[in-house]
Amino acid sequence: DAGVTQSPTHLIKTRGQQVTLRCSPKSGHDTVSWYQQALGQGPQFIFQYYEEEERQRGNFPDRFSGHQFPNYSSELNVNALLLGDSALYLCASTDMWRQGVGNTEAFFGQGTRLTVV
Amino acid sequence: GIQVEQSPPDLILQEGANSTLRCNFSDSVNNLQWFHQNPWGQLINLFYIPSGTKQNGRLSATTVATERYSLLYISSSQTTDSGVYFCAVGMDSSYKLIFGSGTRLLVRP
Repeated sequence: DAGVTQSPTHLIKTRGQQVTLRCSPKSGHDTVSWYQQALGQGPQFIFQYYEEEERQRGNFPDRFSGHQFPNYSSELNVNALLLGDSALYLCASTDMWRQGVGNTEAFFGQGTRLTVV
Repeated sequence: GIQVEQSPPDLILQEGANSTLRCNFSDSVNNLQWFHQNPWGQLINLFYIPSGTKQNGRLSATTVATERYSLLYISSSQTTDSGVYFCAVGMDSSYKLIFGSGTRLLVRP
């Protein structure tokens, strides 16, 4: 059973550049959420995608955008990178159809560590 | 919004010792998960426990939803238990998980 996979594992970008991170959900899961984890803190919710639409968004600027594909995989795009965007970006997948809204066990990928210089 | 507080923030144990980690939350939840974050950053699922008690080997967890807290018990700790333990909660009205700030555990040989 394939778990959640993310790519790349590490990335170094320059201020002002754009970055795309990728996530494939756990087999059988249809919902993908993205989280940002700054050093020494807990993960913070960015947004969630279900049925190729953004369902909910956390307190992040419009520079952060996403997409979900028909095979349920997802991308996180960040434009105009700032030094403060340096963080571990985590993808989580859930099975919304089976377990209903709000009652879902989330599984996380290994993360993408983004460094902005 | 809902607040999630974990205690203690840091914990140092000798191998073989037992410990209890606590998670308090400020509102009703219908999803509560415990995770172990390994040194490479991956969040490993320990328990999905919105209520009740579960056990998995040396680990067990109890959530008392009516009193808004959850406990994670680690018995006979091993050096491989080191890392950060997170509690995360979800609510009916929201799709997201809200994480506490974590408990950083170091188990010394």
